[in-house]
Amino acid sequence: SQKIEQNSEALNIQEGKTATLTCNYTNYSPAYLQWYRQDPGRGPVFLLLIRENEKEKRKERLKVTFDTTLKQSLFHITASQPADSATYLCALGGNDYKLSFGAGTTVTVRA
Amino acid sequence: SQTIHQWPATLVQPVGSPLSLECTVEGTSNPNLYWYRQAAGRGLQLLFYSVGIGQISSEVPQNLSASRPQDRQFILSSKKLLLSDSGFYLCASYRLNTEAFFGQGTRLTVV
Repeated sequence: SQKIEQNSEALNIQEGKTATLTCNYTNYSPAYLQWYRQDPGRGPVFLLLIRENEKEKRKERLKVTFDTTLKQSLFHITASQPADSATYLCALGGNDYKLSFGAGTTVTVRA
Repeated sequence: SQTIHQWPATLVQPVGSPLSLECTVEGTSNPNLYWYRQAAGRGLQLLFYSVGIGQISSEVPQNLSASRPQDRQFILSSKKLLLSDSGFYLCASYRLNTEAFFGQGTRLTVV
């Protein structure tokens, strides 16, 4: 069955540093991969989408890579700020109606 | 862009009582609609999805059911709640290869 794994449950970093989150998947060939931000008690909010034929995508301080050979996506937050503290979810989509999510990585940025 | 309305935000219900959670969508027509449940520290588990009025697909056998009486309305129900039904319920609207829009969620506690 499909499996989506995100790296360690929590990531604590110093303000200004780069946070790097990992999303690995097995038994799946996604057409695209998405990253979402979720704040406590709220619904996830879309950040970035990267397609299987794309290697890298950027949006402001965010960068996503997608390696379909390694079955892995990396999500980077550069020049991190305390306001970036949240849980980040990766999601995989294919050519069906479903979007499958990982458990998320909680990022805490210390001032 | 779309807006997903979900209510109530929190709900405490006794075991054995019925449940009805409603989700409505603004800003789009003929959306694909989804119910997810999120347990603490866990990923989003897809419960039901619907690609049109009256069409419901169930992902996991459980104590819950879903209905779609109107194009932009999606309802999650139970006749008799179990303790294991506690969780954070999220309604989402999603189209293939695009971002998903989520409601603010309902925190259900079954006591």
